[in-house]
Amino acid sequence: GDSVTQMEGPVTLSEEAFLTINCTYTATGYPSLFWYVQYPGEGLQLLLKATKADDKGSNKGFEATYRKETTSFHLEKGSVQVSDSAVYFCALTSGSNDYKLSFGAGTTVTVRA
Amino acid sequence: NAGVMQNPRHLVRRRGQEARLRCSPMKGHSHVYWYRQLPEEGLKFMVYLQKENIIDESGMPKERFSAEFPKEGPSILRIQQVVRGDSAAYFCASSLEAGMVKNIQYFGAGTRLSVL
Repeated sequence: GDSVTQMEGPVTLSEEAFLTINCTYTATGYPSLFWYVQYPGEGLQLLLKATKADDKGSNKGFEATYRKETTSFHLEKGSVQVSDSAVYFCALTSGSNDYKLSFGAGTTVTVRA
Repeated sequence: NAGVMQNPRHLVRRRGQEARLRCSPMKGHSHVYWYRQLPEEGLKFMVYLQKENIIDESGMPKERFSAEFPKEGPSILRIQQVVRGDSAAYFCASSLEAGMVKNIQYFGAGTRLSVL
């Protein structure tokens, strides 16, 4: 079945540092890939998505590129802020049931001033 | 423009009791999804409902769990005779249409169920 493996956390960074969160997947066919973010006390929000190979999703300074050859969708940000402290989830959908999200375990990121 | 509302945020039950989790979708959304997150794991799909219909319940345990989304009122996830293994965070999401490629699932903040 479909699965997503995320880099384990927690991750602690200083402000303006570079952030990478690794995500690899296993899926049948050609999945669509997503990053969700959950800020403290809130629901998950879609951060960015990519629906085909070599697509790059971007939002709020975050980027991720759909790499079919390495089955990866790593999240990056060049200069993090304290407000980026959150839990980040990698997810995918595939096949005809593209309403059914499969999530990684989440990575907790803390950015210190 | 309220988002997806879940209540209660925290629920404590003793073994054998019933748990009722409520989810009010975003205004205008008629598609609701429930996910469960066990400790140290990712969210797992449980069930997909449209108004008055269960579309896909393939991720829901066959016993003790049920879900509904009536014509009026919130969606309810009901767990009968809870056991300690039911302790988890339960998330609800809603969307305007089905399918993630052209639509977005908006999530609530979750209900954290603790079974003593």
